[in-house]
Amino acid sequence: DARVTQTPRHKVTEMGQEVTMRCQPILGHNTVFWYRQTMMQGLELLAYFRNRAPLDDSGMPKDRFSAEMPDATLATLKIQPSEPRDSAVYFCASGLDIGQNTGELFFGEGSRLTVL
Amino acid sequence: AQSVTQLDSQVPVFEEAPVELRCNYSSSVSVYLFWYVQYPNQGLQLLLKYLSGSTLVKSINGFEAEFNKSQTSFHLRKPSVHISDTAEYFCAVSFSGGYNKLIFGAGTRLAVHP
Repeated sequence: DARVTQTPRHKVTEMGQEVTMRCQPILGHNTVFWYRQTMMQGLELLAYFRNRAPLDDSGMPKDRFSAEMPDATLATLKIQPSEPRDSAVYFCASGLDIGQNTGELFFGEGSRLTVL
Repeated sequence: AQSVTQLDSQVPVFEEAPVELRCNYSSSVSVYLFWYVQYPNQGLQLLLKYLSGSTLVKSINGFEAEFNKSQTSFHLRKPSVHISDTAEYFCAVSFSGGYNKLIFGAGTRLAVHP
């Protein structure tokens, strides 16, 4: 049963600490997205990759957030230093883009981050 | 730029009643439209999508949505809801060449009561 795997599922940390969230996309998918979900802002697109190349990270606070894909099976989202306003659920999603937009993204179960 | 507006943040309804969740979009280019569902403590799942062809699209669990280009709408309907339909529903838009990038609406929480 192919699915997107995210770790950790839950993370509680103190302000100023580094946080790294990891995502294993579905094997064979060539697009990976990071979304952040909060009550106030809803679902915000932070960054996305196609064939491991970053296409757009304009939704990310550049001074503290970074997103990478060291290989096709791993995407990471790092926050350094973390702040209380970063508390949210972070979703990773993957999809297959073959030139024709199918629109279907497969979401992981999310990483719930709480920054105290 | 594309944007999506979901007009209702919450929709309470009794079991077996019909429901409509409204979605309007704004775009200067042709778009593809989607509804995703999120059950508590889970990620989002695709419910149905419009890419081209018939403007009425249906899901396997009885939901349907109709693409209305003149009204820039993609409302979601179900003639008779079940308790298990209680969830948050997100309308989303993407566009040709967008590499599956989805722009989501704020979501509508559907609460089905017995």
